[in-house]
Amino acid sequence: DIPMTQSPSSLSASIGDRVTITCQASQDINTYLNWYHQKPGKAPKLLIYGASNLETGVPSRFSGSGSGTHFTFTISSLQPEDIGTYYCQQYASLCSFGQGTKLEIK
Amino acid sequence: QEQLVESGGGVVQPGRSLRLSCAASGFTFSNYAFHWVRQAPGKGLEWVAAISYDEQNKGYADSVKGRFTISRDSSKNTVYLQMNSLRPEDTAVYFCGRDRVTFEMYNWIDPWGQGTLVTVSS
Repeated sequence: DIPMTQSPSSLSASIGDRVTITCQASQDINTYLNWYHQKPGKAPKLLIYGASNLETGVPSRFSGSGSGTHFTFTISSLQPEDIGTYYCQQYASLCSFGQGTKLEIK
Repeated sequence: QEQLVESGGGVVQPGRSLRLSCAASGFTFSNYAFHWVRQAPGKGLEWVAAISYDEQNKGYADSVKGRFTISRDSSKNTVYLQMNSLRPEDTAVYFCGRDRVTFEMYNWIDPWGQGTLVTVSS
């Protein structure tokens, strides 16, 4: 098991803001890192795979970067539909998720 | 379209068993690995178990190892999660998800089912 630490646990931002979430792995996971978005009562939705690859159909305002133990997820210009909770997930050794970042509109 | 539908959730007493099912459609079932991921009320996602495309490899979270068993039936295009010795802390929505990459295990999960609620309570 590889614990994943996400930060912040929650954040509030305005429409149009640049939003950044970080995910830290307890050991080197190369680029075996994905990002998901979940709205209340719904299943998670894949946004980024392999640390930096944008899933087909996902808007280009979403991006991911990083390798090894430190990863970053960015929304370049926050939109109202982006509210919800974001999770990182490692797949270098079995699977594990970060604790989530709840994003709200200010 | 590619679809996963979970079933089998419900209310069960501590110490009892329950089996969840995940019916797949819209793709070649035998080419993919599958995962179970759960979410306790108001909490984050927790990976539970995975099974390879050929059933030869299985993985479990430490929290369920020895109590839960994942399996699959290609004749029914269905994945199962047998949950024994259930505890109140197993209360959660259980999601089934498909690994995206064919003939591999532990990649990114897509698509997901809608989830089924398991409540462990006396």
